[in-house]
Amino acid sequence: SSELTQDPAVSVALGQTVTITCQGDSLRTFYATWYQQKPGQAPLLIIFDKNNRPPGISDRFSGSVSGNTASLTITGAQAEDEADFYCSSRDSRGEHVLFGGGTKLTVL
Amino acid sequence: QVQLVQSGAEVKKPGSSVKVSCKASGGTFSSYGISWVRQAPGQGLEFLGRIIPILGKPFYAQKFQDRVTITADKSTGTAYMELTLLTSEDTAVYYCARDQDGYNQEAQQYFYYMDVWGQGTTVIVSS
Repeated sequence: SSELTQDPAVSVALGQTVTITCQGDSLRTFYATWYQQKPGQAPLLIIFDKNNRPPGISDRFSGSVSGNTASLTITGAQAEDEADFYCSSRDSRGEHVLFGGGTKLTVL
Repeated sequence: QVQLVQSGAEVKKPGSSVKVSCKASGGTFSSYGISWVRQAPGQGLEFLGRIIPILGKPFYAQKFQDRVTITADKSTGTAYMELTLLTSEDTAVYYCARDQDGYNQEAQQYFYYMDVWGQGTTVIVSS
């Protein structure tokens, strides 16, 4: 399969925990990579490999996978976490690069 | 820390071409790849293709393979993306990004990520 599916929108109360999911057959072969994008900015890498964060990324962000579903968990959501989140991986054959449709996170 | 600096905004006529540059500042391409991703207004991210500059061979997403050309000049540390036969649907912000493939030996699972992004180049196609 060559698709990654995300819920279009998710909301979370300030300080609570939220999980954003990404589903696709390629995730059985490739770990999901997660990007955060705020309005007017380029995407920012936040999770790659099994659950690695680049330097400077808060440890409130964590990643996991089960079968064909990857999850991004934000623990203790802050107002500054409000953004669009995209998952990505290569397709199952390792050729094309896939993006999910994105999830808009609202922090209430 | 390497930064990717892209060329400025472009306004193009339908049927014309656009060429966007992406220069590595503060470092080199090294063995990394350079991917090109676009984002139409209010839409998600879309992969166009990539190149590993030290190898020089590009890979194109099937949707764009007849219209996109990605090249890299190792001597100047600059990558280029040219898109031809533009239509209004090509109006978007175009990003370059440094990318890398990896393999988690313990989990026996691959991964791929784009860790440094350019600032984006707005391309508007309008008559």
